[in-house]
Amino acid sequence: EAGVAQSPRYKIIEKRQSVAFWCNPISGHATLYWYQQILGQGPKLLIQFQNNGVVDDSQLPKDRFSAERLKGVDSTLKIQPAKLEDSAVYLCASSVTGTAVYGYTFGSGTRLTVV
Amino acid sequence: QKEVEQNSGPLSVPEGAIASLNCTYSDRGSQSFFWYRQYSGKSPELIMSIYSNGDKEDGRFTAQLNKASQYVSLLIRDSQPSDSATYLCAVPGGSYIPTFGRGTSLIVHP
Repeated sequence: EAGVAQSPRYKIIEKRQSVAFWCNPISGHATLYWYQQILGQGPKLLIQFQNNGVVDDSQLPKDRFSAERLKGVDSTLKIQPAKLEDSAVYLCASSVTGTAVYGYTFGSGTRLTVV
Repeated sequence: QKEVEQNSGPLSVPEGAIASLNCTYSDRGSQSFFWYRQYSGKSPELIMSIYSNGDKEDGRFTAQLNKASQYVSLLIRDSQPSDSATYLCAVPGGSYIPTFGRGTSLIVHP
């Protein structure tokens, strides 16, 4: 089966600019997650979708970050305006069930550098 | 706040030795536990899951879980240079959303 697809792989922007990331989960996976991984740290959950509804976005900085999952398939994560501390790898993951009790599959990630 | 603690390392072991990676967690309600391997510049890859106390073996990997002491460990037997990576412990809490530790860097030297 095809894996979780993400684009772009790399992005360099200046602070205060906006940026968007795209994710296409594994076919049939109802649950989609966006994680932020800062260098030297473990992934931190930003938002979880179940189909096209938000399950958890408690750690999403809503003043600058937004995410949507139209039609319960693809998802986009946007940052506007970006700050230097947003430099990180943004990982998308998907799972069949909402509980992820069997773990889940990550995409290759988007490495964002804010200068 | 749910916490997952790992020693960041690096843990350096010679080729052929046993590498032991440890993780402690704070949420007593956790029922499932995962180990992910992350090569430099790559995304995490699930390598082991464990749900009940005791040991679970898969090839050269053994996961050990002790819920009373709230720790989970990963043993890698016959370590190879290709095992050099960061190993992330992930523990879903009551919401089933995994909290990740910061990872332990493992270096296997020839």
